[in-house]
Amino acid sequence: NAGVTQTPKFQVLKTGQSMTLQCAQDMNHEYMSWYRQDPGMGLRLIHYSVGAGITDQGEVPNGYNVSRSTTEDFPLRLLSAAPSQTSVYFCASSYRGIDGYTFGSGTRLTVV
Amino acid sequence: SQQGEEDPQALSIQEGENATMNCSYKTSINNLQWYRQNSGRGLVHLILIRSNEREKHSGRLRVTLDTSKKSSSLLITASRAADTASYFCATDAGSARQLTFGSGTQLTVLP
Repeated sequence: NAGVTQTPKFQVLKTGQSMTLQCAQDMNHEYMSWYRQDPGMGLRLIHYSVGAGITDQGEVPNGYNVSRSTTEDFPLRLLSAAPSQTSVYFCASSYRGIDGYTFGSGTRLTVV
Repeated sequence: SQQGEEDPQALSIQEGENATMNCSYKTSINNLQWYRQNSGRGLVHLILIRSNEREKHSGRLRVTLDTSKKSSSLLITASRAADTASYFCATDAGSARQLTFGSGTQLTVLP
């Protein structure tokens, strides 16, 4: 099992550019989530999905879009990158959220 | 907003000693989970304790939960240098089963 796969691992964007962070899992997990991790602040929830076709906003959704067309994939789109979006982004998945989440290895994003 | 707050923020111990980290939270929960993060890596799920449980063990890990005080503790016994990492508590507190993380405890185990 590959688990949760995130690509790319590193990315540098210019202010105003858009991009998609990819997340895929092969565990047939219904629940998937995106978090951002900033120094000293732990992880904050951006968007989440409880199944294909269902998404909802987390604590810090502004500037990000998601979609869930398949069970396996949950991409995160940055619409117009801003320096405040410089962070490490983690994708996670779980079987209905009742037994813990499996995390990807993260994408380190720098917006200049 | 942070649901869980860990204490201490940083902890440095000698190999072989026990390490205790505490977590406090604000609202009623379904369960509380502990995760480990090695530097530059993703988070790894360690242990989950449900709201109707008071104590749980997994190998060298012992977790307690006091719902009346809205607090939990993680004990790592006989620490090893490989236990050096950041440890986060996370609460599952709603019907959407999403997690809210604390800011973490940085544990350093000196050889």
